Amino acid sequence: GQQVMQIPQYQHVQEGEDFTTYCNSSTTLSNIQWYKQRPGGHPVFLIQLVKSGEVKKQKRLTFQFGEAKKNSSLHITATQTTDVGTYFCAGLPTGGYQKVTFGTGTKLQVIP
Amino acid sequence: EPEVTQTPSHQVTQMGQEVILRCVPISNHLYFYWYRQILGQKVEFLVSFYNNEISEKSEIFDDQFSVERPDGSNFTLKIRSTKLEDSAMYFCASSARTTGYNSPLHFGNGTRLTVT
Repeated sequence: GQQVMQIPQYQHVQEGEDFTTYCNSSTTLSNIQWYKQRPGGHPVFLIQLVKSGEVKKQKRLTFQFGEAKKNSSLHITATQTTDVGTYFCAGLPTGGYQKVTFGTGTKLQVIP
Repeated sequence: EPEVTQTPSHQVTQMGQEVILRCVPISNHLYFYWYRQILGQKVEFLVSFYNNEISEKSEIFDDQFSVERPDGSNFTLKIRSTKLEDSAMYFCASSARTTGYNSPLHFGNGTRLTVT
């Protein structure tokens, strides 16, 4: 079945440093979504990317979808303590309908 | 902002017992989902539901699991005979349209199921 892996699994950064998480799917994706889960919370939707090579920005967050639509990245510039949480990519396989598969997640810790 | 609500927030049950987890999706949403998350691990897809029937399910969703939309608002997940490995956080989610059309998943706060 489809597998979606993320690296790194954990990342500790000093407040103000940048952070990047990478997402790789074993199959081509129709689209990819990104979610953030705060400690003890539920996943919260951040963004969806659909087009090959697409780049979207939300304030300090930059999301990218690979040309082959099998990988994606999330980059946070100048991290803040409010960025703490686990970031999940979630991919819908080509030809899939509702079976969105979550990646393994990257847990971000920001040291003030 | 409309929310997905789940009850109970925590359910403790003995191995072999049946449990029903309840969810009220966002009212104008058409697609409903159950995911689960074992502590500290990834969010795993269980099942999606549309137009009063299962549209997709994972290999985790075996004969011990069933879903139902008994009325116009509730969406339930039943586990017939719980096992220790069913202990996890169960998240209900809903979306306005199929996720292929830029329709995000809206998650509830989850039900933590503990099987003893």
